[in-house]
Amino acid sequence: DTAVSQTPKYLVTQMGNDKSIKCEQNLGHDTMYWYKQDSKKFLKIMFSYNNKELIINETVPNRFSPKSPDKAHLNLHINSLELGDSAVYFCASSQDFDQPQHFGDGTRLSIL
Amino acid sequence: EDQVTQSPEALRLQEGESSSLNCSYTVSGLRGLFWYRQDPGKGPEFLFTLYSAGEEKEKERLKATLTKKESFLHITAPKPEDSATYLCAVLNQAGTALIFGKGTTLSVSS
Repeated sequence: DTAVSQTPKYLVTQMGNDKSIKCEQNLGHDTMYWYKQDSKKFLKIMFSYNNKELIINETVPNRFSPKSPDKAHLNLHINSLELGDSAVYFCASSQDFDQPQHFGDGTRLSIL
Repeated sequence: EDQVTQSPEALRLQEGESSSLNCSYTVSGLRGLFWYRQDPGKGPEFLFTLYSAGEEKEKERLKATLTKKESFLHITAPKPEDSATYLCAVLNQAGTALIFGKGTTLSVSS
C-alpha cells in the first residue's frame, strides 16, 4: 500500500487555467504539507497543515490554496496558472511537526 | 534566517571508497535535523532524525552525526545502489516546516 499518494503524476496545461492536485495519506498522520521543487531540485515548503492550524509560507502567491476535506487528504488548488508555476509538487505527511515526514512521489506540473 | 547549506553539490566515488557529506545549518534552537535520500522521479525517502549534538544514527552503510553547527552523513564502502541525491533539512524556528538544503548528488561507480 502506498503511504502518501498524489494524483495526477503528470499535469500539462495552459497558462491561465485552474487545476487541482490531490493527496491522500493512509498513515494516520495528523499533519500534512505541500512542497515545491524547482528545476534546480530545491525543495521549498508551501503549506503546513494539521487539524488545528494552517501555516502558509508568506512567499506563496494567493493563487495557491490548500483544501483538506478530512485528516487523510490535503488537496492543492491553483488558480490562473503562470509559466513560473512549472515545477514538481510534493505532498508529505507526519505524525506531528517535529516527526519525520513521508513524501509522495510528486506531481510534475508543466505550463504551456 | 533559517538556512541549510550542503557540500559538496556532487560527489563521484568508486565502489568501496568511503566518504562524507556535509550539512551546515543556522537555526535558533535546533528542534530536529533530518536526512533524506531522493532517487530520480521519486519523493524524498526518510533516513535519519537527529535531535541533539553528539547524537549518531546508523543504517547499513550510512552513519549520521550531529554537532552544534553541522551534520555529517558518512558512507562506508558505498555500492552503486547508494547513488542518489541526499538531502539535509532542519525544522524551522517556528517548528512547523522543514528547511531543506540543495542536496548532494552522489554517484557510485563499480
